[in-house]
Amino acid sequence: AQSVSQHNHHVILSEAASLELGCNYSYGGTVNLFWYVQYPGQHLQLLLKYFSGDPLVKGIKGFEAEFIKSKFSFNLRKPSVQWSDTAEYFCAVNPPTGGFKTIFGAGTRLFVKA
Amino acid sequence: GAGVSQSPSNKVTEKGKDVELRCDPISGHTALYWYRQSLGQGLEFLIYFQGNSAPDKSGLPSDRFSAERTGGSVSTLTIQRTQQEDSAVYLCASSLAKSMEETQYFGPGTRLLVL
Repeated sequence: AQSVSQHNHHVILSEAASLELGCNYSYGGTVNLFWYVQYPGQHLQLLLKYFSGDPLVKGIKGFEAEFIKSKFSFNLRKPSVQWSDTAEYFCAVNPPTGGFKTIFGAGTRLFVKA
Repeated sequence: GAGVSQSPSNKVTEKGKDVELRCDPISGHTALYWYRQSLGQGLEFLIYFQGNSAPDKSGLPSDRFSAERTGGSVSTLTIQRTQQEDSAVYLCASSLAKSMEETQYFGPGTRLLVL
């Protein structure tokens, strides 16, 4: 079945460590890609998105993601995490011919130790 | 300005009862989405609306689930004859819908527990 996969369900890092969260999708053709974040007690919100152009996308709070078409991947990165980055992160895909349908991965819970 | 609101915030019901969940999108947002988040699962797409019409209902889990939107604004998700596996957080989002590049803004969700 076509899907969005996030390989790490839980990640624990110390402050200042580098972060990379994996996301792979199985849809062929042109896709639109997103990362959403849900901080404790807050609503889900957009972190960054990719539609076209430069495959390295910059988002809020120092996050970036790289679209690698050949690997069907859209990994999220941050060079140095902070305690305030503790949250759940979701990768999402708007598949080709899907209209406005958005398919989410299962999420990765990140805990950053102070 | 006001964000997406959902009501009730929590709902406890007995198996077999019907429930209605409400979503008030951001004013002017013509696209509205419903998702379900079960414990330990990601967000499961249920349905989206463009205006009052639903081009894609493929995510609705069974015919016990239905949704409508009236006046291009408020939407109601109805679950008939609830089952314990319907227990989840139901999230609503809205966007301007000019294109998929428009950001989806999420509400706080309704936490449904079916006993």
